Amino acid sequence: GAVVSQHPSRVICKSGTSVKIECRSLDFQATTMFWYRQFPKQSLMLMATSNEGSKATYEQGVEKDKFLINHASLTLSTLTVTSAHPEDSSFYICSVQDRTNYGYTFGSGTRLTVV
Amino acid sequence: AQKVTQAQTEISVVEKEDVTLDCVYETRDTTYYLFWYKQPPSGELVFLIRRNSFDEQNEISGRYSWNFQKSTSSFNFTITASQVVDSAVYFCALSEAGRDDKIIFGKGTRLHILP
Repeated sequence: GAVVSQHPSRVICKSGTSVKIECRSLDFQATTMFWYRQFPKQSLMLMATSNEGSKATYEQGVEKDKFLINHASLTLSTLTVTSAHPEDSSFYICSVQDRTNYGYTFGSGTRLTVV
Repeated sequence: AQKVTQAQTEISVVEKEDVTLDCVYETRDTTYYLFWYKQPPSGELVFLIRRNSFDEQNEISGRYSWNFQKSTSSFNFTITASQVVDSAVYFCALSEAGRDDKIIFGKGTRLHILP
């Protein structure tokens, strides 16, 4: 399957600042990537579908102006949490879809803590 | 709309016991994919299995086995002779092919294997 690199693995930021999380597909050209958020002891909730070269599709209830997604190339999608607040503290995970075999590969996740 | 239900929030068994994790799904599509993932404390998602809706054969991989029954919309996962290393959160997930391809996760089952 695809190899996905997510960076950073952990980040602590001050309230009001912005944080960028990168998701790279190292060996596969990904036209579609997904971003999930997971609060402690909860499930993975899909935030948005990132499409290369076009606007991301956000799930209901996810603020697109707060969670900016950019998928400028076939190997990189970024999620920027703007004006972060403590309630944005969570585990963020990206996923790459391989349409040839309907496989999904997940990044190792980013643990965001907003203080 | 697609939905995945994992009714068991938390399970504890003694090592070497067999344990079955339940998964019930809802979908209107005739073509879909079902998945099981393992999430150890590190947070990384470990892919276990993918099954398409046209393949109802049960599968066995070492101590792991899966029982897919379309008649009851279930895709249960059994661990035989459990080990402490099996302790993790297990997620069942569903993707409807041909739509937006996104994966929707169940709430997960936290499995504790006691020594």
